[in-house]
Order: sequence, then C-alpha cells, then structure tokens
Amino acid sequence: EIVLTQSPGTLSLFPGERATLSCRASQNVGFNSLSWYQQRPGRAPRLLIYKTSTRATGVPDRFTGSGSGTDFTLTISRLEPEDFAVYYCQQYGSSPQTFGQGTKVEIK
Amino acid sequence: QVQLQQRGAGLLKPSETLSLTCGVFGTSFTDSFWAWVRQSPGKGLEWIGEIDHGRRPEYNPSFNNRVTISSQPSIKQVTLTLRSVTVADTAIYYCARAALFRSMDVWGKGTSVTVSS
Repeated sequence: EIVLTQSPGTLSLFPGERATLSCRASQNVGFNSLSWYQQRPGRAPRLLIYKTSTRATGVPDRFTGSGSGTDFTLTISRLEPEDFAVYYCQQYGSSPQTFGQGTKVEIK
Repeated sequence: QVQLQQRGAGLLKPSETLSLTCGVFGTSFTDSFWAWVRQSPGKGLEWIGEIDHGRRPEYNPSFNNRVTISSQPSIKQVTLTLRSVTVADTAIYYCARAALFRSMDVWGKGTSVTVSS
C-alpha cells in the first residue's frame, strides 16, 4: 500500500501568514489522485482539494494544491482564524486508499 | 442539501459484530461510490472500503475479511458490518460519498464506537 508522510507534524503560525504543508508518497500516486481534507475538533473531515489541485465547491481560493508523482503540497496563502485545524492528505489512485497522519496548523 | 445520516450501536463487547447504517438524503444514490472511514487516536484516518451500485465492494485488506459493505438502493442506504471486533476497533466511524474522482466530498457526522468488556 502507498504510505503518505506529512510534514511538519505541527505548524505554528500567526493569522495572515502563509502555510505550506507537505505530503510525500512512498510510491507514485497514479493520475495525481490526491486529495486534501481539513478537520476541525469534533467535526468530520471536509474535502478541500481533489485531483491534486482542484478546489472542492465552496473552498476559498486561498487554498491551493500542487504537486505530482510522489510530492504534493497544500498552500494556504493567508491564514484566517477558521483555518487553524488539522489537515490530511489522501491518495485514491491505488487500493487500499490511504491517508497521511495529518499536519496540525495552530495559532502561534 | 446532501445529508448522510448514520445509525448504529456505539458500545460493543469483544467478539461481537458492529453494524452501522448510512442513510442518503438529497442526492442520487446510484451515481456515486459510498465509503466508510474510521478514525482512532492510534491510527488516524483509515479507509475501510467502498461500494458502488452494481459493482462488487472494495475493502482494505488490513481488516482481514472481517468487513462487509452492502447497499440497499431502494431505501438509499449503505451498511457496514465488522465482525469479531476487538478493543483496537474502537474509533469514530464515518460514512462518506466518494463522488469526485473517488474523493470524499460529503461526510456523515460520525458514530463513536467503543469496544470494551
């Protein structure tokens, strides 16, 4: 199975700063089949990005996904208070689908 | 508005069978994949499997053939069955619609399941 490793584990930033989250796959992710999810405490995950770089409906354009092959990035251009949460990457290009362990973005 | 309504028992004893249902409202049932994902403190998010109308379900091999996902299109419902549960199966279980290239764009609220003797 494809193992996804996210870094850093925790990102401490001020509101208004730029956040850069990394997701590295142990094997090539076919067809750029990689998504990003946001999860706030006590809530279900929320889809932000699919197919590496396509924003889901209603997702603000400060969220940008990029990458290919084994290296993927989620960038949040200017952090809003509601963006402080945990972010997960997920690959669905090969079975079983797998998730990264998450990056927590916290207020500095 | 698309909603997924989860139902099922939240407290089980080891060796019992977990059964959860997910009712689908506000969207077509046959046009999407329907997935189950769980989240436990020790293992993070874990894909359990998914089903598509008219196709065989697909499962995560790590569940060692303990899982069955079935669908009931006439009542727009998906069912997760997990047999021979252990303490390690304690988690929040989510159903989700996998409609965007198999990305999960709509999620249920989750069901907290505790396995304890």
